[in-house]
Amino acid sequence: KQEVTQIPAALSVPEGENLVLNCSFTDSAIYNLQWFRQDPGKGLTSLLLIQSSQREQTSGRLNASLDKSSGRSTLYIAASQPGDSATYLCANGDTGFQKLVFGTGTRLLVSP
Amino acid sequence: DTGVSQDPRHKITKRGQNVTFRCDPISEHNRLYWYRQTLGQGPEFLTYFQNEAQLEKSRLLSDRFSAERPKGSFSTLEIQRTEQGDSAMYLCASSPRESPYEQYFGPGTRLTVT
Repeated sequence: KQEVTQIPAALSVPEGENLVLNCSFTDSAIYNLQWFRQDPGKGLTSLLLIQSSQREQTSGRLNASLDKSSGRSTLYIAASQPGDSATYLCANGDTGFQKLVFGTGTRLLVSP
Repeated sequence: DTGVSQDPRHKITKRGQNVTFRCDPISEHNRLYWYRQTLGQGPEFLTYFQNEAQLEKSRLLSDRFSAERPKGSFSTLEIQRTEQGDSAMYLCASSPRESPYEQYFGPGTRLTVT
């Protein structure tokens, strides 16, 4: 059974810092790896999707990498802003029906 | 494209009552997923539809839970004889035929069982 772990569980940084969120998974037979953002009491917004054949994806200040062999993905946020404050979830898609298996998330707080 | 919508957004019910939630996916998305998220946890998969066919159900979906997608468009999730442990956010997602791995999530329905 696939298990996804995210470290740290919570992170508080001052505005402007670069930061890294970590995601690890136990089964390397994944179809893809996605990073989502969730604001309090809201649904999920997809940030980046990395196919299993890819190593990284970039969107603006966000960069996500994938190392299947070690079962790890990282989300790098450059020059953090207060508006980045949210919970960040990683999830991998299985090779069947594409259901997503989520980690428990990292709660990020960026202070002005 | 109005996105995935869910109704109601919030539901408070007493233990033992039945509740039904509705999800309207993005039009022409043939895949629809239900997930459940409890406080401080990531979403957990409940069930999946391709068009009107329910193709996979998690063991989390006890016999008190039933989901339908009768015409391959909107879906309903019913919980019978609710228990306090059913309190959670119920999330719906849909994905298009050509990109099944791109799931678009709705805002969720928050259920509180008192």
